Amino acid sequence: GENVEQHPSTLSVQEGDSAVIKCTYSDSASNYFPWYKQELGKRPQLIIDIRSNVGEKKDQRIAVTLNKTAKHFSLHITETQPEDSAVYFCAADISNFGNEKLTFGTGTRLTIIP
Amino acid sequence: GAGVSQTPSNKVTEKGKYVELRCDPISGHTALYWYRQSLGQGPEFLIYFQGTGAADDSGLPNDRFFAVRPEGSVSTLKIQRTERGDSAVYLCASSLWGSTRPGELFFGEGSRLTVL
Repeated sequence: GENVEQHPSTLSVQEGDSAVIKCTYSDSASNYFPWYKQELGKRPQLIIDIRSNVGEKKDQRIAVTLNKTAKHFSLHITETQPEDSAVYFCAADISNFGNEKLTFGTGTRLTIIP
Repeated sequence: GAGVSQTPSNKVTEKGKYVELRCDPISGHTALYWYRQSLGQGPEFLIYFQGTGAADDSGLPNDRFFAVRPEGSVSTLKIQRTERGDSAVYLCASSLWGSTRPGELFFGEGSRLTVL
């Protein structure tokens, strides 16, 4: 089955600086890669996703890049703000129509230092 | 409702007891998922329903776990003979295939299960 590894497990950055979280996956058939944000005690929420026919996607301060050859993808957050503090999970899935069986990484706890 | 609703939010039980966890998905969402999240870990897939049928139950850890969705809406996750290792937050999610953003899972707040 699919295996997703995520690094780092914790990350602290100064407010205004950029944060990068990296994930690797094992199954070359995976074609859908979402990122979820989970604030303390809250539900995970989708913040951005990318499909394997695209190399990069951007949404305001958040961007995701995908390297299918190397089987890794990354989340980039620019101009970080205190409300970006949360746990971020990457995930991978084999799906043409939507999520069926997401495999999540172990999470990155991001702390923004004011 | 406006979002995915899960009950109970907290459940404390003794080892060996039977537990039911309920999920009410977003109205109209045909796909429903159960995940389990242990402390400090990412959600772990358990089972996925498309309509009333379990399309993929390969994540259920053993035969003590069972889930149903008899009318294609509300789902119940059932755990028999609970063990301390079953303690976790059980997350339910739903999604709408064919939406403008296919693939997005809408999670509930979860049911925290503690087995003493």
